[in-house]
Amino acid sequence: GAVVSQHPSWVICKSGTSVKIECRSLDFQATTMFWYRQFPKQSLMLMATSNEGSKATYEQGVEKDKFLINHASLTLSTLTVTSAHPEDSSFYICSASTGSYGYTFGSGTRLTVV
Amino acid sequence: DAKTTQPPSMDCAEGRAANLPCNHSTISGNEYVYWYRQIHSQGPQYIIHGLKNNETNEMASLIITEDRKSSTLILPHATLRDTAVYYCIVRVPPLGDKIIFGKGTRLHILP
Repeated sequence: GAVVSQHPSWVICKSGTSVKIECRSLDFQATTMFWYRQFPKQSLMLMATSNEGSKATYEQGVEKDKFLINHASLTLSTLTVTSAHPEDSSFYICSASTGSYGYTFGSGTRLTVV
Repeated sequence: DAKTTQPPSMDCAEGRAANLPCNHSTISGNEYVYWYRQIHSQGPQYIIHGLKNNETNEMASLIITEDRKSSTLILPHATLRDTAVYYCIVRVPPLGDKIIFGKGTRLHILP
């Protein structure tokens, strides 16, 4: 079945630095990918929709200059958290549309900013 | 997309059938019902989907009422590994548009 690989699975960074998270579709082409953020005990919150070859569409309240999304190929989308702060610590998840199954999700990235 | 309503939490004894309800009274004729689950610290996992007929796969069964206003996900023999948050989502294919997740049902399987 369709697999989405997300890396890294966890990362710890210092406040003020930037972190890049990769999301790859391994056996299919993903024209559209989605990025979510999840805080403890809460549901997934959609951050942005990433379209190959064009600018991402951000949800209301999500800072596009802070959360940079690049979808340069049909198999790779990246999320860069710039100038990270402790409040950016969260679980980040990507997904891609895959036909009848709907969506396949990455395994998530646990970001801790210290 | 139609709005869904799920109980916030449920308990089920290990080995018994877990029946998770979902209300989607505003579902339109071309919207499918999808179920996903999220085990702690993992990405969501697809379980099953259906339009109006009952569906069964190796993971679960989906029972959709005749008026399509509600559905039930059935895990026939729940195990501890089925402890997760279960999300019911209604959508119109073809897919490619965003999914907005509700709060889901937190299922606890009790030993």
